[in-house]
Amino acid sequence: ETGVTQTPRHLVMGMTNKKSLKCEQHLGHNAMYWYKQSAKKPLELMFVYSLEERVENNSVPSRFSPECPNSSHLFLHLHTLQPEDSALYLCASSQEDRVSYEQYFGPGTRLTVT
Amino acid sequence: AQSVAQPEDQVNVAEGNPLTVKCTYSVSGNPYLFWYVQYPNRGLQFLLKYITGDNLVKGSYGFEAEFNKSQTSFHLKKPSALVSDSALYFCAVIPPTGGYNKLIFGAGTRLAVHP
Repeated sequence: ETGVTQTPRHLVMGMTNKKSLKCEQHLGHNAMYWYKQSAKKPLELMFVYSLEERVENNSVPSRFSPECPNSSHLFLHLHTLQPEDSALYLCASSQEDRVSYEQYFGPGTRLTVT
Repeated sequence: AQSVAQPEDQVNVAEGNPLTVKCTYSVSGNPYLFWYVQYPNRGLQFLLKYITGDNLVKGSYGFEAEFNKSQTSFHLKKPSALVSDSALYFCAVIPPTGGYNKLIFGAGTRLAVHP
């Protein structure tokens, strides 16, 4: 256990559905991240929240909408997804004090869009 | 553009033999370097990092990595591989600039250790 939990672990949704992915970190960190992991590709950084403010949005389509209500929780709201959005979505957290640097990852949500 | 290269999609090694998983990076300045491991159906787990100091860093599960500035490499090594080391390994860097810890990942190398 890394101290970062994600729910659900698996999600199958149609292209017209709306769903949300949840991430919670129990490490007292002040930064949280969403990554997309597709087969044989580098992890793609999607969003970064530092001190509950979004600091990066890497040209992610608007059908993905992040929300960070507090430093421990991060959501990814999904709507009208495409089949190519099927992937493993990973949440991570870190402490932005430039001392520890490493990020701690959750187990991921395996998303399948049908 | 800043990038990380892992030139091998897969590395095969016999149990008990030494293993090396290669990583090179293209980042200006002095980056911070990391290795992560991913087991099936799991998230990434931190293995080790190089920030400054001794070029040889030791990490979890007997792994170590050597920072070579002139070759811009950070290869992961282990003297004696175990079957349980079979997993997907990611090299990553944090460029020295930026307001937060932005990790840039390689595409990953699958390590297969055979009995």
